Amino acid sequence: SQTIHQWPATLVQPVGSPLSLECTVEGTSNPNLYWYRQAAGRGLQLLFYSVGIGQISSEVPQNLSASRPQDRQFILSSKKLLLSDSGFYLCAWSVPREDTGELFFGEGSRLTVL
Amino acid sequence: GQNIDQPTEMTATEGAIVQINCTYQTSGFNGLFWYQQHAGEAPTFLSYNVLDGLEEKGRFSSFLSRSKGYSYLLLKELQMKDSASYLCAPFDSNYQLIWGAGTKLIIKP
Repeated sequence: SQTIHQWPATLVQPVGSPLSLECTVEGTSNPNLYWYRQAAGRGLQLLFYSVGIGQISSEVPQNLSASRPQDRQFILSSKKLLLSDSGFYLCAWSVPREDTGELFFGEGSRLTVL
Repeated sequence: GQNIDQPTEMTATEGAIVQINCTYQTSGFNGLFWYQQHAGEAPTFLSYNVLDGLEEKGRFSSFLSRSKGYSYLLLKELQMKDSASYLCAPFDSNYQLIWGAGTKLIIKP
């Protein structure tokens, strides 16, 4: 069966510090991968999605970046965090080229920037 | 533009029935998802409607009217564990999910 894990689950970082959130998927090949952010009381905001190794599409201009160094690994990074980067970050995967497009989410990472 | 409208919060009684409405405006349409999200957790899949009509799955049912840009999620025999946010998310023409802010459902004994 397929599983998705992301870490760390919780982190508190000072403004201006770097960030690295990691996500891995097991049990499937060539998944579509996504990074979402959810601010308190807000809907899910798509940050990045990837259809293959090295293929990253950015939905929102910001100080975040994403990389996909391996087929089932997706990394969210920042060189210098802003206060506005605080939120709940969710990694997700879906079966490529499948019309249902159901998303399977990781456990989430809660980031607080102070 | 693309827009999702759901009530911000609803309250219901344990054992009762509740209907959560969703209206949407998207660039194209390729189906609509409902997800459940407990506080502090990731969303989990509830249902997917691509054709008009009612889809029933146990205590949960979801309805879609494409011509009206309208969907609802019906929860029967409410349990305390159903207290969560319910997210309506249509698929646009590019197969991108458009997320609303969700409806927070509070169940009272």
